[in-house]
Amino acid sequence: DIQMTQSPSSLSASVGDRVTITCRASQNIGTYLNWYQQRPGTAPKLLISAASSLQSGVPSRFSGIGSGSGTDFTLTIRSLQPEDFATYYCQQSYSTPITFGQGTRLEIK
Amino acid sequence: QVQLVESGGGVVQPGRSLKLSCAVSGFTFGTYAMHWVRQAPGKGLEWVAVISFDGSQRSYADSVRGRVSISRDNFKNTLYLQMNSLRPEDTAMYYCSKGNYYGSTSYSDWWGQGTLVTVSS
Repeated sequence: DIQMTQSPSSLSASVGDRVTITCRASQNIGTYLNWYQQRPGTAPKLLISAASSLQSGVPSRFSGIGSGSGTDFTLTIRSLQPEDFATYYCQQSYSTPITFGQGTRLEIK
Repeated sequence: QVQLVESGGGVVQPGRSLKLSCAVSGFTFGTYAMHWVRQAPGKGLEWVAVISFDGSQRSYADSVRGRVSISRDNFKNTLYLQMNSLRPEDTAMYYCSKGNYYGSTSYSDWWGQGTLVTVSS
């Protein structure tokens, strides 16, 4: 199975800050990497697919990129807004079993 | 618009069975893979199972394989998850989600609001 490791596990930031969350796969997954946002008490929401493709309706302050190695990926949120404080998960869809990272909780400082 | 509505959750004793359903609308159900993903209280997301558009391919997480069966009825636009020999560690919110294409290696682009399963004596 492909293991997905996110860092950090939690992060404190202020409105207006820029934050970066990283995700590492245990093997090459190409760009089969997706990012989800989950606000408390709600279902996850797809933000980015294929490492860098922003979903329709997702603000442009969110961006994703892969390092080219097929194992290292980054989610960046520029100019944090109050609604961005949530938990973020990466997911590989390269092969089954599909696996998620453990999540990164983004909290207000 | 795309809608996924889960049902069938509840409190069940260890060792018993439960069948979850997910009724969908707003897209052509029979052309997309479908997933079940669960989340234990206070924990992260755990992928459970996927079924291809026509039901010919099914894949399961190691944690549920042999106890859980995913199925679909493309005439009723409904996805199912049959869970047997339930354990306390199966306690979670269960989400159904739509795959982005017909195959099992798809990501989830739409999600339901979940149905809560509690396994307790």
